[in-house]
Amino acid sequence: DAGVIQSPRHEVTEMGQEVTLRCKPISGHNSLFWYRQTMMRGLELLIYFNNNVPIDDSGMPEDRFSAKMPNASFSTLKIQPSEPRDSAVYFCASTIPGRGDTQYFGPGTRLTVL
Amino acid sequence: KQEVTQIPAALSVPEGENLVLNCSFTDSAIYNLQWFRQDPGKGLTSLLLIQSSQREQTSGRLNASLDKSSGRSTLYIAASQPGDSATYLCAVSNDYKLSFGAGTTVTVRA
Repeated sequence: DAGVIQSPRHEVTEMGQEVTLRCKPISGHNSLFWYRQTMMRGLELLIYFNNNVPIDDSGMPEDRFSAKMPNASFSTLKIQPSEPRDSAVYFCASTIPGRGDTQYFGPGTRLTVL
Repeated sequence: KQEVTQIPAALSVPEGENLVLNCSFTDSAIYNLQWFRQDPGKGLTSLLLIQSSQREQTSGRLNASLDKSSGRSTLYIAASQPGDSATYLCAVSNDYKLSFGAGTTVTVRA
């Protein structure tokens, strides 16, 4: 299996622009997570989907952030409008549902907002 | 809220020395604890997962212990190699949610 796939790997944009990050989970995994990693705050869970349904979005920082999972093989995280403080590495992870299962992480998207 | 602390924040050792990385957490009602490795500019790779009912897990040169009652885990890496240089993250699971420590950055000197 190719593992979790994220695109783009790097994104540089200007403040105010819309940014869309993409994730393809491992086939057969129907739990998907979006995380954000910064030096100041470490790794934080943004949103969790199970069977394509958002279960916990309490980590989404503000209304500028939105996430969708239209099918079992694709998810997007959108920031509109972007701000410099959104600069971070965004990771997608997937797992087989159930407690105690390893989460498999993608390589991440490094976002820089100028 | 679950708080996860990793000590030390950074560690530098000569090749061949054993590594000891510590992780502590505040809420002992966990489902499991995982140790991850992160290389610069890369994603996270799961190294070991210990279920809450287990005391330890081993994989090759890696051994992780869990003392749930005291809220502690330790990752041991035997006979360190330069290729072990990376950041090691501890994460505890409360149902689906992983809470991460800030990590320990390890440098193994050749």
